[in-house]
Amino acid sequence: GENVEQHPSTLSVQEGDSAVIKCTYSDSASNYFPWYKQELGKGPQLIIDIRSNVGEKKDQRIAVTLNKTAKHFSLHITETQPEDSAVYFCAASITSGYSTLTFGKGTMLLVSP
Amino acid sequence: SAVISQKPSRDICQRGTSLTIQCQVDSQVTMMFWYRQQPGQSLTLIATANQGSEATYESGFVIDKFPISRPNLTFSTLTVSNMSPEDSSIYLCSVGSDRGSDGYTFGSGTRLTVV
Repeated sequence: GENVEQHPSTLSVQEGDSAVIKCTYSDSASNYFPWYKQELGKGPQLIIDIRSNVGEKKDQRIAVTLNKTAKHFSLHITETQPEDSAVYFCAASITSGYSTLTFGKGTMLLVSP
Repeated sequence: SAVISQKPSRDICQRGTSLTIQCQVDSQVTMMFWYRQQPGQSLTLIATANQGSEATYESGFVIDKFPISRPNLTFSTLTVSNMSPEDSSIYLCSVGSDRGSDGYTFGSGTRLTVV
């Protein structure tokens, strides 16, 4: 089955800096890669996703890149703010909405004012 | 995307008892998923629940311990049976989009503590 590795496990940055979280996956059939943000006491919230037919997707301060050949994808957050502090999970699945997600172990992002 | 209401949000239960968690969705969805998130850990899929069929359980999870109901396209329950302290976790329901384009939405979770 699919295996998703996520690094780093913790990431501390200063407000205004950029943050990058990286994930690798094992199943070349995976074609949907979402990123979730989980704040304390809440369920995961989808922040951005990418499908295998594109290499990059942006949404304001957040971007995701995908390298299908190397089987890795990354989350980029620019101009970080204290409210970006949370645990971020990457995931992979074969088909969005109809298949099961395999999650990475998560990255705790701490943004210091 | 779908809006999920999950109840209860938290509970403290005695070992040996059972707790049923409810998941209500504001739209009809084919697939619903139940996850467990142990303290400080990632999400682990317990089972997939489709309306009108038996739930499909992942390795390490069995129906006797985690019975699931899916009576219609907007509702599901997960029961944690004969609980022990090791069952203390956050339990989350999730739904996929029938349009296949909106990804997966999660409920806010049920924080269970077994004493």
